[in-house]
Amino acid sequence: SQTIHQWPATLVQPVGSPLSLECTVEGTSNPNLYWYRQAAGRGLQLLFYSIGIDQISSEVPQNLSASRPQDRQFILSSKKLLLSDSGFYLCAGGTGGSGNTIYFGEGSWLTVV
Amino acid sequence: GIQVEQSPPDLILQEGANSTLRCNFSDSVNNLQWFHQNPWGQLINLFYIPSGTKQNGRLSATTVATERYSLLYISSSQTTDSGVYFCAGTSASGGSYIPTFGRGTSLIVHP
Repeated sequence: SQTIHQWPATLVQPVGSPLSLECTVEGTSNPNLYWYRQAAGRGLQLLFYSIGIDQISSEVPQNLSASRPQDRQFILSSKKLLLSDSGFYLCAGGTGGSGNTIYFGEGSWLTVV
Repeated sequence: GIQVEQSPPDLILQEGANSTLRCNFSDSVNNLQWFHQNPWGQLINLFYIPSGTKQNGRLSATTVATERYSLLYISSSQTTDSGVYFCAGTSASGGSYIPTFGRGTSLIVHP
């Protein structure tokens, strides 16, 4: 099975500062990759997904961007954080196609102050 | 896209009790999964169950794909079962890569 590594685990950033969250995948090649955000209230909001290198789709307009410079690396970024960007960010990877089992990283807690 | 409805939204149990969590889908789905989010936020895979029944210890799951629902059974609950349980599936039409999640069932198990 695949393993998703995500870091940093927690960070506190001032408004207007940049952000970079990184996610790497072990155990599979050419995975589908996803960034989710979970705000208070429990639901998982899909932010971005990628089916290949440099192939990124955004699900919601926002202050964030994603990049996939390598097959098993997925990065979530922002140039200038907003207070509303605070939340719990989760990277996930899937094997793709039928049998697309999703695995999650450990998550990153972001507090924008 | 598909809609995923989970019930109940909240559940409080005494240790040792059994429970059933339900997940309804608005359309046919592939790649149906159940997850447990522990108190530290990590989402743990419980089952990949597009159809049929699977068991893992005190947990079991059943998916009736033709009727578009899945059930998660927790028997003899323990305090460590507390957390939020999510189901997710991808649409069976259109080659979707995107899993859609329900809003979860929050479970609290008291000692």
